[in-house]
Amino acid sequence: GAVVSQHPSWVICKSGTSVKIECRSLDFQATTMFWYRQFPKQSLMLMATSNEGSKATYEQGVEKDKFLINHASLTLSTLTVTSAHPEDSSFYICSAIDRGPYEQYFGPGTRLTVT
Amino acid sequence: AQKVTQAQTEISVVEKEDVTLDCVYETRDTTYYLFWYKQPPSGELVFLIRRNSFDEQNEISGRYSWNFQKSTSSFNFTITASQVVDSAVYFCALSEDRSQGNLIFGKGTKLSVKP
Repeated sequence: GAVVSQHPSWVICKSGTSVKIECRSLDFQATTMFWYRQFPKQSLMLMATSNEGSKATYEQGVEKDKFLINHASLTLSTLTVTSAHPEDSSFYICSAIDRGPYEQYFGPGTRLTVT
Repeated sequence: AQKVTQAQTEISVVEKEDVTLDCVYETRDTTYYLFWYKQPPSGELVFLIRRNSFDEQNEISGRYSWNFQKSTSSFNFTITASQVVDSAVYFCALSEDRSQGNLIFGKGTKLSVKP
């Protein structure tokens, strides 16, 4: 099946710094990718929809200036958490739509810890 | 508004027991899709099943079975003869899109299967 990768798989950063998370579709082109956040022992919440070549669409309550999303190519979307704070610590999961079979595939997730 | 409720937060069973995970959904759409995902401790989401709103046939896949009832807006998941490897968090999700885009997740049910 199609594979979506995320890098890094885990990251620890200091409060106030920025961290970038990459989401790649390895064997298919993805015009649409999604970014989800999952707090410990909680459900996944959609943060934003990332469309190649256009601005991301953010869900209500998600700060677009804090969570910068760039979908610069058909195989790569990046999420940058700017000026990270401890409350941004979470598990971030991306997914990508393969328009061929019209299926969504999830990445393995990135665990962010802000100290 | 769309909503998915998984009332069971945690379930603990002994190996070989059968267990049913409940899922109740709310939507005003006449066309929608229901999903179940498994999230083992590693964090990666594993797709289990997709069911569209026009297909109420129950499905069986090995030890897994799903019971979809539109009359009660439920999409329950049963594991027969549970195994330790079934231990995970299971999420029920709803989407108006076949590709699972913009998924609305339930809060998940943590299943622990003890030997």
